[in-house]
Order: sequence, then C-alpha cells, then structure tokens
Amino acid sequence: KAGVTQTPRYLIKTRGQQVTLSCSPISGHRSVSWYQQTPGQGLQFLFEYFSETQRNKGNFPGRFSGRQFSNSRSEMNVSTLELGDSALYLCASSFSGTSGTGELFFGEGSRLTVL
Amino acid sequence: AQKITQTQPGMFVQEKEAVTLDCTYDTSDPSYGLFWYKQPSSGEMIFLIYQGSYDQQNATEGRYSLNFQKARKSANLVISASQLGDSAMYFCAMREVTTGGGNKLTFGTGTQLKVEL
Repeated sequence: KAGVTQTPRYLIKTRGQQVTLSCSPISGHRSVSWYQQTPGQGLQFLFEYFSETQRNKGNFPGRFSGRQFSNSRSEMNVSTLELGDSALYLCASSFSGTSGTGELFFGEGSRLTVL
Repeated sequence: AQKITQTQPGMFVQEKEAVTLDCTYDTSDPSYGLFWYKQPSSGEMIFLIYQGSYDQQNATEGRYSLNFQKARKSANLVISASQLGDSAMYFCAMREVTTGGGNKLTFGTGTQLKVEL
C-alpha cells in the first residue's frame, strides 16, 4: 500500500515568488492536513481538507492557501514568498471522518528554501 | 487551548536498553487522541503509536509502548531494546477537538534521542 506522497521534495525560490506543493494521500483516505516545520516555531498546523472542503485552519496569513481535489489529492500554495517561509512542509493523511479518530500518516515533506 | 510538553530536549541510551521519553499534555476536552512520531534527519515524520483518550489499555506497537496515565495527563513513550536506528527526533502530539471535527494536531518541541554502542 503506497504511503503519502509529496512533491517536490526540495525546491528553491526567491522572495516574492509563489510556490505550489502537492500531496497525494494514502488510497482511501479523505482527510489531508498540512503542517509547517521550522527550527524556531516547531511544527505548526496550516489547514485540513476533507472531501474537498477546508475543515480546519491554523493561524497563518492569507498568503497560505490550499485546496483538495475529488480524488483527495491536495495542493497548498504560498504566494509572495518571504524568507521566513523557508521550512519543511509536511502533509498528513487520515481515513477519519467527522469523528476525528484514528491515526495520521505523514509524507516525507517538501523542503522549501526562500532566497 | 491544548498544550503538549516534552521536557527532555536530548536523551542518550545504550543499545539494547529501554528508554522512556516523557510527554505531558493539557486539555479540557474529554475526547482526544495522543500520537508519537519519529523524525530522522531525512525529515519524514514516521507514525509510531496512537492512544485514544477512552482506550482502556495502553497502546503497544512492536518495541514501542505508550504509558498512558490519564489522571496525570501523561503519555510517555517507552522504546524497548533500543537500536542504533532509533536515533532520531521524537515528537508527542495531541489531536485537538474542533467544532468542525477532523484532524488538527498540536505538537511538542521534541526529544532528540541518541542510541550509543
């Protein structure tokens, strides 16, 4: 059974550019959530999508956005990149429905460097 | 707001020994979930073990067990028979209950485990 797949694994951008990251969840999983990991702030929740709808949102500016497609694949976009956006972006998938139970499985992450 | 506390920034353990990584949590919700993840230097977050707040028994997965003490609000990870490959950062996390349901994890700051020969 394939795990969570994130692309690209590494990317370098310059300030002001935008970036799109992709996440394919485990087959059958309908919940996809995104996290940002930095040395200073640790792991922080960005947002979660379930059945193409944003179900939860963290405290990030509007430059951070996401969406989910009918096949449960998700993308997140960061516009007008800032140096502080340099981070490891992790995607997690879960089978859980509205009850919010069960395990979450993460991908290998997309490491973004903003110059 | 929910909070996870990991008070051990770094731990050392000898190969084949057992080690306990501490995690305490704070929540007023009766229903929650607790997770442990391992993150090697490659960055991937590897799921280790899960404990639901209503689970009667402590969760176990191979060499990993979760010592769940609900009254003390602690969820310590026990790794038995440590191996060199266990050297990594370990994160404790709690699923936050939101009005929309679903999955929103709050993470601790992590414990860097080093297994020595």
